[in-house]
This record gives sequence, structure tokens and C-alpha cells, in this order.
Amino acid sequence: EPEVTQTPSHQVTQMGQEVILRCVPISNHLYFYWYRQILGQKVEFLVSFYNNEISEKSEIFDDQFSVERPDGSNFTLKIRSTKLEDSAMYFCASGGDNSPLHFGNGTRLTVT
Amino acid sequence: AQSVTQLGSHVSVSEGALVLLRCNYSSSVPPYLFWYVQYPNQGLQLLLKYTSAATLVKGINGFEAEFKKSETSFHLTKPSAHMSDAAEYFCAVTNTGGFKTIFGAGTRLFVKA
Repeated sequence: EPEVTQTPSHQVTQMGQEVILRCVPISNHLYFYWYRQILGQKVEFLVSFYNNEISEKSEIFDDQFSVERPDGSNFTLKIRSTKLEDSAMYFCASGGDNSPLHFGNGTRLTVT
Repeated sequence: AQSVTQLGSHVSVSEGALVLLRCNYSSSVPPYLFWYVQYPNQGLQLLLKYTSAATLVKGINGFEAEFKKSETSFHLTKPSAHMSDAAEYFCAVTNTGGFKTIFGAGTRLFVKA
């Protein structure tokens, strides 16, 4: 069964540094998402992406965040200047029309 | 705007006992509803989904959920708990044609031997 893959599984970075989290969605999916889960807390919506543009974003997704689909397969989340509170598990997900989201296994981001 | 409330952040059952995890939703339009499971250090795996077909939905690992519009509920059940069911369970809602799936706060299920 096709799956969403995320790399790296764990990223450690220093405060103020830029990070790029990478995702390869399921190939025939049209909708792409990033979610965040701070340790022990709920899964929070960050952004959805459709037809090469952001379709919806949450208040968490401020100017420090950006998403890109640089080619036909990858979907990336960039954090320009990381803060301690950005430490979390970041999940990529993709979906088709009227289908549930398929999630990757996540990237654990640790900001020191 | 849609929202999800999961009653009980922790539920503990004995092995072989009934599992009942509660979820209530709020949505201004007919919703799609989902249950996801998260095992430690893993991603979110879809257990089952409701998309306006049958109100009783069967999922993987013996779980099922019933959509009750009058109660705005979508509770998850399993007749007999196994040790391997210990995990975090998330109820989620999205509107038809919506671009955003909203998750509840999660319920951690403990299964005692």
C-alpha cells in the first residue's frame, strides 16, 4: 500500500537556524497538509496545500513558516528562524477527493 | 467552524473488557468523521471513517464506531480489549469539501492484564 514518507525522522537544530522538513506524499493525492504535535499535546493543523497554493492555514502558521512543492513529488515545510517552542513532531499528510488523510511517521524537531 | 471533543484524556480497561472512547463533534455542515490511532513514536494510522454512508462503521483491529447525528457523537468501541490496543486515539472531523481536518485532544487507552 502506498504511504507518505517523511525525512528526516529526527532533526536537531539550534535556535535561529532554518530547517526544512521533507515529505513525499502519495503520488495520486491532490491535497497536502502539515500538522504539528507538541509532546503530550494534541495534533494541531498548520496548513493545507492544493493546486500549488495554500488553501488554508492556522494561526500557528505565521511568517516564519512556508511550504513548497518544488517538483512533482516532494512537499516541504520550512521554518526560517526556529524557536524553542517549535520543538515538536511534525506530520505530513496527503489525501484525495473525499478521502481521509494518510499520515507519514513524522519528523521530530528538537530546537536547542 | 467544526470542532471535536473527546471525553476523557485517559481510559483504562482490563484485557477482554469493552473499550468505549467518546467523541462529540460540532459542524455546521454534514461532517466526515475519523478515528486515528497513534502508537508510541509513530505516526497516525486511520482506524475507520464515516463519510455519510452507513452510520455504523467498522474499522481495523476489531474497532467500530457509530455516527449519531441527534447526539452529534461518533464513539469508538471494541468488544474485547487486547494489550496491543494500548495507544493514543484521536477523533477527527472535516467538512465535505473542506481543506482542514481538525483533531480532538486524544484519549490514551491503557489495557491492564
